[in-house]
Amino acid sequence: NAGVTQTPKFQVLKTGQSMTLQCAQDMNHEYMSWYRQDPGMGLRLIHYSVGAGITDQGEVPNGYNVSRSTTEDFPLRLLSAAPSQTSVYFCASGRATDTQYFGPGTRLTVL
Amino acid sequence: AQSVAQPEDQVNVAEGNPLTVKCTYSVSGNPYLFWYVQYPNRGLQFLLKYITGDNLVKGSYGFEAEFNKSQTSFHLKKPSALVSDSALYFCAVRDRRRNFNKFYFGSGTKLNVKP
Repeated sequence: NAGVTQTPKFQVLKTGQSMTLQCAQDMNHEYMSWYRQDPGMGLRLIHYSVGAGITDQGEVPNGYNVSRSTTEDFPLRLLSAAPSQTSVYFCASGRATDTQYFGPGTRLTVL
Repeated sequence: AQSVAQPEDQVNVAEGNPLTVKCTYSVSGNPYLFWYVQYPNRGLQFLLKYITGDNLVKGSYGFEAEFNKSQTSFHLKKPSALVSDSALYFCAVRDRRRNFNKFYFGSGTKLNVKP
């Protein structure tokens, strides 16, 4: 049981490049979410999903896309990276009325 | 409007002394409340939660939290701090009325426990 896994651990992009952050969970959780963590701002919700085929926006969705084709996977796509997207990204999963379990994070730098 | 507030950026306490990390929320009704801890370069780990029932909730590593509806607070406490408790602590809330599927996090409080 690996829990929530994220790849890559570190990534450096140039402005305008696109990339996908991967997230997978093996706990059969229906709820999955993406956050970004910036100093002094806590965690801000980007997108979330309550099941395969269902996604919705969080607090800061601009510049990011998600899809949920399976229960296990919830990739986050950066369409055209900007320096303002430099951050640490966390994926989390959980059951509908319970806590969330977090992945180890991806540290992204956009130059 | 901010749903969760952690008024202290940093809390300093000596080892063996009691500690309190404060959290207030601004959602109506009966929210779900959570505390998480983050160690350097790691993801968040769940400590405890309040859903319903007894206002005093006990969690991992000897931590507890008290739900106070009249003061809309959910402060994290521990009777005797350890140096290994030094970390970043986050309070979070799920709003049952507005959008239950969204978790809102506070800005975090850095706990420093000195030997």
